[in-house]
Formats: sequence, C-alpha cells, structure tokens
Amino acid sequence: DAGVIQSPRHEVTEMGQEVTLRCKPISGHNSLFWYRQTMMRGLELLIYFNNNVPIDDSGMPEDRFSAKMPNASFSTLKIQPSEPRDSAVYFCASNQDRGFGYTFGSGTRLTVV
Amino acid sequence: GDSVTQMEGPVTLSEEAFLTINCTYTATGYPSLFWYVQYPGEGLQLLLKATKADDKGSNKGFEATYRKETTSFHLEKGSVQVSDSAVYFCALSEGTGGFKTIFGAGTRLFVKA
Repeated sequence: DAGVIQSPRHEVTEMGQEVTLRCKPISGHNSLFWYRQTMMRGLELLIYFNNNVPIDDSGMPEDRFSAKMPNASFSTLKIQPSEPRDSAVYFCASNQDRGFGYTFGSGTRLTVV
Repeated sequence: GDSVTQMEGPVTLSEEAFLTINCTYTATGYPSLFWYVQYPGEGLQLLLKATKADDKGSNKGFEATYRKETTSFHLEKGSVQVSDSAVYFCALSEGTGGFKTIFGAGTRLFVKA
C-alpha cells in the first residue's frame, strides 16, 4: 500500500486566493482526519470523517475552511479566501480502528503571502 | 475532557544514553495509548501502542507500559542513537464513531554524537 497520499506537497498562494488540499486515505480505512500543525499551536484536529460522514468539525477555525469526503478514497480541505495566518503544514491521516493508530500522510506545507 | 500531558523539551542526550520521556493522561474511559514520532519534514509515524492496562508496547528499541494506576505511558529507550533525533508525541484514543485521538504537545529529542 502506498500509504496516505496528500497533494500538493507544497503550496504557495497569495492572500485571498482559494486553496484546495487533497488526500487519499489507505484503502479499507474508514476514518479520515485533517490536522494542522504550526510551531505556535502544535497539532490541531480540524475535522474528521467516519464512513465518509463528517463526525466532528469543531476544530475548523472559520467558515473560510470547508472539507468534503465524497467517497471512501478521497477527501479535500478547502480554504477560501486564504489568509497569511493559515500558513501551516496540513496533515491528513486515516485509520481502521482505535486500537491500530493513525497513518499520516507526508503533509502539505501551505504558505499564504 | 480527555487530555495528554508530556514533558517539555527539548531533551538533549549523548549517543548511547538512556531516554525517558514522561507522559500522563486523563480519560473518562479505557483509552488506547500511543507514541508517535515525527522526523523533520515528515508526517507523524506510529511508533508503538498499548490497548489495555499493563500492556507493553515496543518497537525499534523503544518501550512504554500502560500504567492505569498512575495514568502514565512513559517512553523509554536504553541506548539512543543520533538517528533517534525527532519529535515524539504521546496520544490517546477513546470513544466511538471515528476514534478521535488526542495528542500531547510533543517533545523534541536531540541526540549528540
């Protein structure tokens, strides 16, 4: 298995632009998680899905952030409009059962200028 | 709510020294416990896990024992190497409907040759 695949690896965009981050979870994993990591705030859970259904989006910072999971093999995190304070590394992770732990993707480093 | 507290870093050790990174947790039920490791520029990787009291998780020379009486899950390694330099995260997972995981703040380890 290729693991959790995220794209792009790096994204540089101008303030106000729309940004879409993509994630392909491991086949057979039924939960998917989006995290944001910064030096100041550490690792923050933004939203998670179980069986493609959003379960908890309380970590989504503002209405500018939205996430979808149209099927079991694909999820997107969209920021519209983007702001410099959104600059961070965004990770996607998936898992199968609470006892097995997560598999993380390599992350997308987002820079908003 | 559930939480994880781990010792602040950075921890700086010489090669072949003994490592302990302390982790304590609070939880209402019976969580699974994990240690993850993050190398520079990469996502978190599951290092080891324990799913019930007195279980010992181990991997790559690292060990941690699930201590319910002290609500702890300290990470240990008998002889660290330079290649162990990374950030280590303690985490717990409890509940249903997606198995949300709570992460500690992370402890950075530097190992000097």
